[in-house]
Amino acid sequence: SQTIHQWPATLVQPVGSPLSLECTVEGTSNPNLYWYRQAAGRGLQLLFYSVGIGQISSEVPQNLSASRPQDRQFILSSKKLLLSDSGFYLCAWSVPNSPLHFGNGTRLTVT
Amino acid sequence: GQSLEQPSEVTAVEGAIVQINCTYQTSGFYGLSWYQQHDGGAPTFLSYNALDGLEETGRFSSFLSRSDSYGYLLLQELQMKDSASYFCAVTAQAGTALIFGKGTTLSVSS
Repeated sequence: SQTIHQWPATLVQPVGSPLSLECTVEGTSNPNLYWYRQAAGRGLQLLFYSVGIGQISSEVPQNLSASRPQDRQFILSSKKLLLSDSGFYLCAWSVPNSPLHFGNGTRLTVT
Repeated sequence: GQSLEQPSEVTAVEGAIVQINCTYQTSGFYGLSWYQQHDGGAPTFLSYNALDGLEETGRFSSFLSRSDSYGYLLLQELQMKDSASYFCAVTAQAGTALIFGKGTTLSVSS
């Protein structure tokens, strides 16, 4: 069966510090991978999605970036965090004609 | 632009039936999905409609009318554990990411 791992579960970082969130998927090949962000009490905002290694589509211009170094690995990064980067970050995967499956999320607080 | 509209909050009592509506305006349309998210957790998939009509899965049903750009999630025999946020989401184009609504918070009381 397929599983998705996302870590860390919670993170507190100072303004201006770097960020690296990692997500890996097991049990499937060539999945579509996604990063969403959810502000407190709000909907899900798509940040990045990838249909293959090295292929990244950015939906919202900001100080975040994403990379897909391996087929089932998706990384969200920032060189310098802003207060507005606080939120709940969710990694997700899908294959054609299947629902989106989310990881357990990372709750990021920028102080 | 692309948008999905759903009510922000709905309240109901145990055993009742509640309907959460979703209207969408997107550049394309492949299907409408519904996700449930409990407080502090990740969203989980509930249902998907690509064609007009009603899909039933246990206590939950989902309806789609493509001509009206409208769908709804129907929850029957409500239980306290159904208290959560419910999101509708559209697949606008093949191979692209889901576009989510802002979510409806359902509160079920005894």
